[in-house]
Amino acid sequence: KAGVTQTPRYLIKTRGQQVTLSCSPISGHRSVSWYQQTPGQGLQFLFEYFSETQRNKGNFPGRFSGRQFSNSRSEMNVSTLELGDSALYLCASSITGLANEKLFFGSGTQLSVL
Amino acid sequence: AQSVTQLDSQVPVFEEAPVELRCNYSSSVSVYLFWYVQYPNQGLQLLLKYLSGSTLVKGINGFEAEFNKSQTSFHLRKPSVHISDTAEYFCAVAFMNTGFQKLVFGTGTRLLVSP
Repeated sequence: KAGVTQTPRYLIKTRGQQVTLSCSPISGHRSVSWYQQTPGQGLQFLFEYFSETQRNKGNFPGRFSGRQFSNSRSEMNVSTLELGDSALYLCASSITGLANEKLFFGSGTQLSVL
Repeated sequence: AQSVTQLDSQVPVFEEAPVELRCNYSSSVSVYLFWYVQYPNQGLQLLLKYLSGSTLVKGINGFEAEFNKSQTSFHLRKPSVHISDTAEYFCAVAFMNTGFQKLVFGTGTRLLVSP
């Protein structure tokens, strides 16, 4: 069974640009959640999608948005990039997204904003 | 406030020595507890989880953790570490609020195992 796939692996952007990251969950998993990982801050929850609907949302500005398609693949978009958006962005999938479930993580997209 | 604290950002240890990585949380609601490990250039993998039952939980790679409700802690232990255990370890807590669940990760502890 293929794992969680994130593309691209690396991205370099400049301030003010926008970026779209992609996440393909494990087959059969309907929940996809996104996290921002930075040194010292750990993992911070961005949002979770389940069956094409955003079900939970963290404390990030509206520049961060996402969506989920009918095949459960998810995209995350960040508009008007800022230097502080440089981070490793991880997505995770699970069957139903319930709190007692194991999350399966992708290897992440490393975003650098110059 | 619902928070997770990993006080040690880095723990150096010699191979075959025991190790304990600390995790404390703050909550007035019930919780589920997890430890994840992140090897260099990889995503996170679940080491173990506590949902209910025995407070001593055994995970993969010889790790175990003990849930202490009175001290609101979920420390991770291994009696004898290997070089290959060098990684970053994240404690995560799912807060079971009425109507919604909130998963919060700690800031991570980097375990450095040297020969």
